[in-house]
Amino acid sequence: DAKTTQPNSMESNEEEPVHLPCNHSTISGTDYIHWYRQLPSQGPEYVIHGLTSNVNNRMASLAIAEDRKSSTLILHRATLRDAAVYYCILIISSGSARQLTFGSGTQLTVLP
Amino acid sequence: DAGVTQSPTHLIKTRGQQVTLRCSPISGHKSVSWYQQVLGQGPQFIFQYYEKEERGRGNFPDRFSARQFPNYSSELNVNALLLGDSALYLCASSPQGTDYGYTFGSGTRLTVV
Repeated sequence: DAKTTQPNSMESNEEEPVHLPCNHSTISGTDYIHWYRQLPSQGPEYVIHGLTSNVNNRMASLAIAEDRKSSTLILHRATLRDAAVYYCILIISSGSARQLTFGSGTQLTVLP
Repeated sequence: DAGVTQSPTHLIKTRGQQVTLRCSPISGHKSVSWYQQVLGQGPQFIFQYYEKEERGRGNFPDRFSARQFPNYSSELNVNALLLGDSALYLCASSPQGTDYGYTFGSGTRLTVV
């Protein structure tokens, strides 16, 4: 099964950019890279996804390495509300189901 | 629009009992998935249902079962509860045919004593 590895924790200062790395060396050519985040006492929340090209949306940017074995989620200006566990996810098939494969994620702490 | 709603939000059960958790997906979403999240870990896939049929299940024992109703809502049942079943149970809904835009509920916190 394709898997992802992320640092357990990272810290950032408020108003500064944050780069959250993810390794997915066993990714297949058709796997999209997805990022979700989970705020305390909530379910995971979709952040962004991409295949090969870098992607931007109102929440974040996703930079994907040319060989696709790694990616980086970029929060351009971290706020205290961005403190959460960030998951880098590949979606795999389980029967005819599609399942999100969560690792342990990166706990992001934002310092005021 | 209402998001994914789960009930109850918290539940305490005794070992050996049975529990039923409920999930209402976002309007228009026909697929519902269930995940178990043990404290300190990422969610683990339990089931996915689409159009009332099970599409797949994760590595969970037969004590876990689920179903989806004609209105696309879903129930997760767990029989013969064990202490290790204590976890946050998450429901996610998604539109047909997409791998993005899964929307999760806030979960049901199950404590087995």
